[in-house]
Amino acid sequence: QVQLVESGGGVVQPGRSLRLSCAASGFIFSNYGMHWVRQAPGKGLEWVAVIWYDGNRKEYADSVKGRFSISRDNSNNMLYLQINSLRAEDTAVYYCARTRLDRGRGEDFDYWGQGTLVTVSS
Amino acid sequence: ETVLTQSPATLSLSPGDRATLSCRASQNVDIYLAWYQQKPGQAPRLLIYDASNRAAGIPARFSGSGSGTDFTLTITSLEPEDFAVYYCQQRRNWPPVTFGQGTRLEIK
Repeated sequence: QVQLVESGGGVVQPGRSLRLSCAASGFIFSNYGMHWVRQAPGKGLEWVAVIWYDGNRKEYADSVKGRFSISRDNSNNMLYLQINSLRAEDTAVYYCARTRLDRGRGEDFDYWGQGTLVTVSS
Repeated sequence: ETVLTQSPATLSLSPGDRATLSCRASQNVDIYLAWYQQKPGQAPRLLIYDASNRAAGIPARFSGSGSGTDFTLTITSLEPEDFAVYYCQQRRNWPPVTFGQGTRLEIK
């Protein structure tokens, strides 16, 4: 069965960095685009970033462009989100999500991880 | 950026009622709209994709309709487990992928 397990969240001071990880299993990871979506406490869903199945395309929300970097290791079925220069407004649960269609054919999400909480606070 | 506006913000109904949730896009998204359900403390769950297709394992009481800029999620005969927050999401005009702000379906 498909599983996505995030890790790496925690309490971090403003301006510091953090790397989130998402371990994937139960499917051919290298065939699917992967996204990060976040949710601030009590708020709605906000798309953060996508990486193409082969890693050749990456896109970011304007709110994180230049500070966040998405990457993947298809050999080890891992997705990453490097978050730099953390701000209070980055406080959220971060979800990794798999695209429903393989090989870049569409960006909606059929599997989600349980999320990892990032709290930015001094 | 394609803005998705969901209405109403909150919908108060009773088990057995019919729920109708709306999602309006600021520009054409064709049929490339999905609906998700989220319960407290849980990740979102895909209900409907491409406007009207139920995802795997989703009960038949959930249905979606619409195209272009106006979409509807209908839940016939609400079950207790259906009370949750519902989000729409478009994939026609991206990046960015965008979500609506959500509709909270609460027990009356």
